[in-house]
Amino acid sequence: DAKTTQPPSMDCAEGRAANLPCNHSTISGNEYVYWYRQIHSQGPQYIIHGLKNNETNEMASLIITEDRKSSTLILPHATLRDTAVYYCIVRVGTNAGKSTFGDGTTLTVKP
Amino acid sequence: DTGVSQNPRHKITKRGQNVTFRCDPISEHNRLYWYRQTLGQGPEFLTYFQNEAQLEKSRLLSDRFSAERPKGSFSTLEIQRTEQGDSAMYLCASSPIRTITDTQYFGPGTRLTVL
Repeated sequence: DAKTTQPPSMDCAEGRAANLPCNHSTISGNEYVYWYRQIHSQGPQYIIHGLKNNETNEMASLIITEDRKSSTLILPHATLRDTAVYYCIVRVGTNAGKSTFGDGTTLTVKP
Repeated sequence: DTGVSQNPRHKITKRGQNVTFRCDPISEHNRLYWYRQTLGQGPEFLTYFQNEAQLEKSRLLSDRFSAERPKGSFSTLEIQRTEQGDSAMYLCASSPIRTITDTQYFGPGTRLTVL
């Protein structure tokens, strides 16, 4: 699986959009970008994934650059409950087996 | 909506004791994964099953660790002769087999403290 690089920490004001970047310059053509988040002492929560098109669901939007070497997770209106560690993972779509997690980005949403 | 469940949620044991954790995956999910997470780190892969078959084991899974999924449903992870270094959160995840993507869904974890 390709490696990912994320900033260790970010702050965001409550109600504003949180934009979390991820670099995955060695991503392969069959690898998807997945995002998870982990609120303190809980298991990771799936957020969204995509291959090359931008994706949106009820939790977030995922913007993947045209060359697929980086992506941005957007939380459109961050709340205090969005404070968590956010993990970006690249993984083949199916028959992938394990996920390889890095250290993620700690997002702190401030009032 | 029943997600992945893990029991117990917390376990405190003394060094040298054996412990066993259970994971119940989402119904009809063929794949089941075990991860370990220490404080401040991302989850690290331990092993995974497709139905009853254990398909991959990490080098982290020493011979004191054993995982089973006897009927392709729930799984157990046993640690024998626990050491203080085994203190961690043990996470279970499951995924379906799909033609396009097989997203992993995680349980709440079992936090192990070895005294």
